[in-house]
Amino acid sequence: QKEVEQNSGPLSVPEGAIASLNCTYSDRGSQSFFWYRQYSGKSPELIMSIYSNGDKEDGRFTAQLNKASQYVSLLIRDSQPSDSATYLCAVNLRRQGNLIFGKGTKLSVKP
Amino acid sequence: DAGVIQSPRHEVTEMGQEVTLRCKPISGHNSLFWYRQTMMRGLELLIYFNNNVPIDDSGMPEDRFSAKMPNASFSTLKIQPSEPRDSAVYFCASSLNGNTEAFFGQGTRLTVV
Repeated sequence: QKEVEQNSGPLSVPEGAIASLNCTYSDRGSQSFFWYRQYSGKSPELIMSIYSNGDKEDGRFTAQLNKASQYVSLLIRDSQPSDSATYLCAVNLRRQGNLIFGKGTKLSVKP
Repeated sequence: DAGVIQSPRHEVTEMGQEVTLRCKPISGHNSLFWYRQTMMRGLELLIYFNNNVPIDDSGMPEDRFSAKMPNASFSTLKIQPSEPRDSAVYFCASSLNGNTEAFFGQGTRLTVV
């Protein structure tokens, strides 16, 4: 089992819709979880961090964490074409504190 | 702060040559990560330093790769000898400690011909 798994997509949603991105991780003791956005040819950019179970909202973005299910998700409300990018889930594994990334989900928001 | 600074931005080299990539982390950050990104394998962690000490280098592909962090403000990733399959984008990232958000440099696009 890979340490951090994401659906590769592509995920296509119409403008104004909610985009839902999912991630699972293998290390039950993981404590820190992050979502990054990466535009083509650019470096990953942090958009959300979450450390405890439940929801965390920041503008149009909501991160959800369920440690019992080893699951973290990102919701993007009112999706815009500018949200089209690859979204990377990252987990700080308990083992040695490594920050491991999933392979990313490519999101396309159609006008 | 200028953020994480990597150099060079682009590197084209011939197979067999030595390549050195450089990284200056954000001032005050104690953790530094080197990643390699390819279409096939995604973003792979190569090595992780904490307080200038390598904590986990299990992601380093083979002995041709080496990394150093001689002080808190500088790290290098060296490939010797380079091979065409090393062609990728190499990112450096830093964080306050191993458990907080990591911030990425602009990356070095390496092409080995």
